[in-house]
Amino acid sequence: KAGVTQTPRYLIKTRGQQVTLSCSPISGHRSVSWYQQTPGQGLQFLFEYFSETQRNKGNFPGRFSGRQFSNSRSEMNVSTLELGDSALYLCASSLTAGGWEAFFGQGTRLTVV
Amino acid sequence: KQEVTQIPAALSVPEGENLVLNCSFTDSAIYNLQWFRQDPGKGLTSLLLIQSSQREQTSGRLNASLDKSSGRSTLYIAASQPGDSATYLCAVDSGGGADGLTFGKGTHLIIQP
Repeated sequence: KAGVTQTPRYLIKTRGQQVTLSCSPISGHRSVSWYQQTPGQGLQFLFEYFSETQRNKGNFPGRFSGRQFSNSRSEMNVSTLELGDSALYLCASSLTAGGWEAFFGQGTRLTVV
Repeated sequence: KQEVTQIPAALSVPEGENLVLNCSFTDSAIYNLQWFRQDPGKGLTSLLLIQSSQREQTSGRLNASLDKSSGRSTLYIAASQPGDSATYLCAVDSGGGADGLTFGKGTHLIIQP
């Protein structure tokens, strides 16, 4: 079966612009989480969605937002991009809420110039 | 706040050796612990998931153990191969998915042919 699909794979944006990343979870999975990975900070939790509701958000500014659709697909948006937002953004899907195994996509590499 | 530490940060061994990667966490109230593998520039591949009620899990040449009371997990790799070269990440779920996974910084493993 198909894994977690993230699009696009690579993005180059200019400071001040906004960007939207997409994540399609494994078929049947209803929980989607987003993470930011940088060389300095490692992997950090952004937010988690289940049944179209954001259950929690990590320690990131309000410029980072997301949503989940009724088909469990999720998008995350970053507004007013800063150089420090350059990172690998990873999406993970789980069957449902409550401590199930997480499966990750290949990520979107965002470069802000 | 949960913190996850992985030791060593880097490891280089000749092919064929058995090796152990270590992971420690500060809060023993966890739902599960998951080991991942990450190849350069790629997403995360799930290796093993240990639920909080379990002591160990095995998959092929990999064996992971969990000691919740001491806040430790180990990943044992038997008969290492050059294809095992990657970064290995340990992640803890402390909130049933709602708070995301808390990751260690990883162990960068190189298996010399």
